[in-house]
Amino acid sequence: DVKVTQSSRYLVKRTGEKVFLECVQDMDHENMFWYRQDPGLGLRLIYFSYDVKMKEKGDIPEGYSVSREKKERFSLILESASTNQTSMYLCASTTGANTGELFFGEGSRLTVL
Amino acid sequence: QQQVKQSPQSLIVQKGGISIINCAYENTAFDYFPWYQQFPGKGPALLIAIRPDVSEKKEGRFTISFNKSAKQFSLHIMDSQPGDSATYFCAASWAGGGNKLTFGTGTQLKVEL
Repeated sequence: DVKVTQSSRYLVKRTGEKVFLECVQDMDHENMFWYRQDPGLGLRLIYFSYDVKMKEKGDIPEGYSVSREKKERFSLILESASTNQTSMYLCASTTGANTGELFFGEGSRLTVL
Repeated sequence: QQQVKQSPQSLIVQKGGISIINCAYENTAFDYFPWYQQFPGKGPALLIAIRPDVSEKKEGRFTISFNKSAKQFSLHIMDSQPGDSATYFCAASWAGGGNKLTFGTGTQLKVEL
């Protein structure tokens, strides 16, 4: 069964802290994505990666960076967390084929105080 | 820049009724239109999808209607059940976009007894 695991379901951090959100998939998928979900705004793409060590900016990359050192792991990094980054973060993965089906993790709810 | 516009934001339907959610897109390069279903505390999951070479696709009680000339597509849920209560997202992608989905803002559906 397809599985995308986000290790932290709930985090509370302080303004200025560095935050790491980890995502692991066990499906040998090439493509991985980080989305942010906010009420009334839907899911917005932050960063995505087509392969190990490759990354591309999505629609709202400001204030974020990513790391993909291994195929199964895609990390989202907030270098200096701010209150406007309080949100639900969703990781997803898919094969390299153009099927469009993304498999999502259950999300990481981040609160920045 | 909202490339996929979704309405309504919320919807209440009686059990057994028809739920209808509408989406409109701007980018004529889009060639894949999925709908995702999200239950509280879970990540979104693919529900049904359509490509523009057909005007309708049906899977059980769920139907996508697609109007290419109007750049609109909609999800119809027939015989709506309380278990259908969830948030629904439309999305779109294009072949050259590498599975990068652009999502609508979401519709919170509640099916009442």
